[in-house]
Amino acid sequence: NAGVTQTPKFRILKIGQSMTLQCTQDMNHNYMYWYRQDPGMGLKLIYYSVGAGITDKGEVPNGYNVSRSTTEDFPLRLELAAPSQTSVYFCASSYSASPPKAFFGQGTRLTVV
Amino acid sequence: RKEVEQDPGPFNVPEGATVAFNCTYSNSASQSFFWYRQDCRKEPKLLMSVYSSGNEDGRFTAQLNRASQYISLLIRDSKLSDSATYLCVVILAYSGAGSYQLTFGKGTKLSVIP
Repeated sequence: NAGVTQTPKFRILKIGQSMTLQCTQDMNHNYMYWYRQDPGMGLKLIYYSVGAGITDKGEVPNGYNVSRSTTEDFPLRLELAAPSQTSVYFCASSYSASPPKAFFGQGTRLTVV
Repeated sequence: RKEVEQDPGPFNVPEGATVAFNCTYSNSASQSFFWYRQDCRKEPKLLMSVYSSGNEDGRFTAQLNRASQYISLLIRDSKLSDSATYLCVVILAYSGAGSYQLTFGKGTKLSVIP
């Protein structure tokens, strides 16, 4: 029972590099989310998706892009990495039923130097 | 006023103590409420939902007061394994095409001391 799987777990990027954080879920959830968590701060929503082919911006979308070509996968793309994007990134998914209980991946620790 | 506010703590309590966490939310249209637990360097995990009637799960009791826009979590007979950060989560009014927006508080850190 894999749940929500994120890769990689850790990554160091140089300023200006790009990368894709992978997220996949095997629970057939239609809702998926990307959050970032900075030290001592709460989780901030970057992007979310209510189903395949549908994505929308969250609270802090600048510098990121997403796609949702399948129900299972919701990759997060960083273009031109900046030190301000150093953070822990969590992917989550939930059922559409109310209330939507969210299940999280184990997180990706990203450092931009 | 922030959308979801929590007492940041940290709360340092001895084993066996009772500890209470509070959370307030600003949007009266908020619909659903949860407590999540996050261990150090781990992902958040759902602890329990919160209902107006109050709900209990073993040593944990959650309560919602819609009139005061206030949520609480009570832990009785605290154990060392309860040490974690407790996140209040509020589902705000729908946005977009029938989508949900989960908003997290910053969390309250609990350390249970032997």
